[in-house]
Amino acid sequence: GESVGLHLPTLSVQEGDNSIINCAYSNSASDYFIWYKQESGKGPQFIIDIRSNMDKRQGQRVTVLLNKTVKHLSLQIAATQPGDSAVYFCAEEGANSKLTFGKGITLSVRP
Amino acid sequence: DTEVTQTPKHLVMGMTNKKSLKCEQHMGHRAMYWYKQKAKKPPELMFVYSYEKLSINESVPSRFSPECPNSSLLNLHLHALQPEDSALYLCASSLYGDQPQHFGDGTRLSIL
Repeated sequence: GESVGLHLPTLSVQEGDNSIINCAYSNSASDYFIWYKQESGKGPQFIIDIRSNMDKRQGQRVTVLLNKTVKHLSLQIAATQPGDSAVYFCAEEGANSKLTFGKGITLSVRP
Repeated sequence: DTEVTQTPKHLVMGMTNKKSLKCEQHMGHRAMYWYKQKAKKPPELMFVYSYEKLSINESVPSRFSPECPNSSLLNLHLHALQPEDSALYLCASSLYGDQPQHFGDGTRLSIL
């Protein structure tokens, strides 16, 4: 059953270090994956996406890696800054544009 | 600032009230979505509109009624809600399916 009232998992990193946020997805038929950042009081903000025909994609300071064999997605943030503190969600898109979000991880950046 | 605009930002209503949430985008996106998000949980899909037609209803209770008057607007009509419906309601849009969904900042709904 679903656990209620637990805190989101938290990753704490030192400012300037690299962060790696991991996500396991459930549907082997999913072919499109997105990482979102959600700050307090705001909606999810698109960070980067990747399609199933790729295993790596780079953006500005961010890299997404996709391992379809083990259904694993990761987000790497280089030189983490205080402004990167937020909740991060991975999401997989299945049929009919249905987006399913992972549970979310809180990234906390220590000054 | 987000390019998907949601109003109102906050809404408090009684269980017998009727109210509407509004969402607007001017990016030319043809798919629009409603999500519900409870505290410390991920967003959960409620409805998908594609080219102004309802394409997905995730078994949402009939007290929530979506409407897409045109390609830029999405409404969510609320009637006889329950306290457990208190949540953040998020609207999103995408160019079409299989493209990034862009979210508004949501309406924080409280049911008394």
